[in-house]
Parts: sequence; C-alpha cells; structure tokens
Amino acid sequence: DVKVTQSSRYLVKRTGEKVFLECVQDMDHENMFWYRQDPGLGLRLIYFSYDVKMKEKGDIPEGYSVSREKKERFSLILESASTNQTSMYLCASKSGGIYEQYFGPGTRLTVT
Amino acid sequence: AQSVSQHNHHVILSEAASLELGCNYSYGGTVNLFWYVQYPGQHLQLLLKYFSGDPLVKGIKGFEAEFIKSKFSFNLRKPSVQWSDTAEYFCAVSSNNAGNMLTFGGGTRLMVKP
Repeated sequence: DVKVTQSSRYLVKRTGEKVFLECVQDMDHENMFWYRQDPGLGLRLIYFSYDVKMKEKGDIPEGYSVSREKKERFSLILESASTNQTSMYLCASKSGGIYEQYFGPGTRLTVT
Repeated sequence: AQSVSQHNHHVILSEAASLELGCNYSYGGTVNLFWYVQYPGQHLQLLLKYFSGDPLVKGIKGFEAEFIKSKFSFNLRKPSVQWSDTAEYFCAVSSNNAGNMLTFGGGTRLMVKP
C-alpha cells in the first residue's frame, strides 16, 4: 500500500511566522502535490513537482513556496503566514501517467 | 481551463435510501474521471475511476458511476446507503492536455441518518 505521511495533523502558528509542512511518500512516485482544502471550494492545487528539484505552480501559489530535495519528500513553505492561510493542507503523490493520486492525512493549519 | 461542478453541497439521507451525486465538468477533450471520498477524520481515498472502456464503472463499497460523454457528466450512485457512508465526496477530472493535473469539484457532504 502506498503511504503518504505528513509531519503534523494540527498546527497553530502566529501571523508572520515561517511555516514548514513536510510530506513523505514511500512508493518512489515521481509526482508530488500540495493542495489546500476549504469548505465549498474542494481541493485547490498550490504547487506540484514532477521530479527532484523541479516544481510548477498550481492554481493558487501566491504566498507559498516548495522544496523537493529528495524524491520521497516534498515540503510546503509559508514564508510569512497570514490568517487567510488558515486551512487544511493535503499532500499527494502519484506515478507518471494518468494514475490516481494518493493522499496524506492532511495538516490543519490555524494562523492566529 | 477545465472546471468541475458538484451541484449538491449537502445531502441528507436515511439508511437504505438510494444515492445519486451529480458531477459535471467543462473540458471537451479526452478526460480521466475520479470520485474520492473523505470519511470523518480520515484521509482522502479513491472510490472509483474511469479512464476508458465501459462507461459504467464500479468502485469500492457498492458505489458506481456512469460517464455520459454527451452530458459531460460522471454521476456517483449507490442503490442503498448505510450510516457508514457518511462522508464528503469529491469528483475530480484530469486531461492529457492539462498535464494530467486533477481539478476537483467543491465536494458534497453526505450525512446518512441511522
């Protein structure tokens, strides 16, 4: 079974703090994704990576950056957290091609 | 850009009732279609998928979905729901032209009353 793990289930940060969300997958998948999930809006893609050190912007990249130094690990960085970044953050991975994505448990981030 | 619409945001059913959740997408080319489910406190998991072939696809836990190309729809169905089906359901679409990126609908929150 594919396993995607995220470093924290719940996180509370203050406005202006730098926040790191970590994601690790154990199936040697080439592609990794970061989404945010908000009620009524579904999942929106923030960034994705199709290879080590490669990244592409998704639909809502503003205020976020990412890092992929190793194939199994994909980090989401909030350079200066703001209250409108309070959300559930989901990481996913998949093989190349049209295969389905596998999701982690999510990190519920609250910025106060 | 492709978009996905799920018309029902909240659905409340009694056990044994039949379920149909609507999903429509906007892209006119070749698409790949998915339904994901998120049970309370759990991670998003795949319910079923359609890539090609028989437009009626069967998934886990008795769910099925029908791809109707002329209607740009991929509705999810279950003949008789159970309390354990209480969850949020997401329709998603990818296309080769969009780099196989998933576009999600807004989700439908289903509550099944015992």
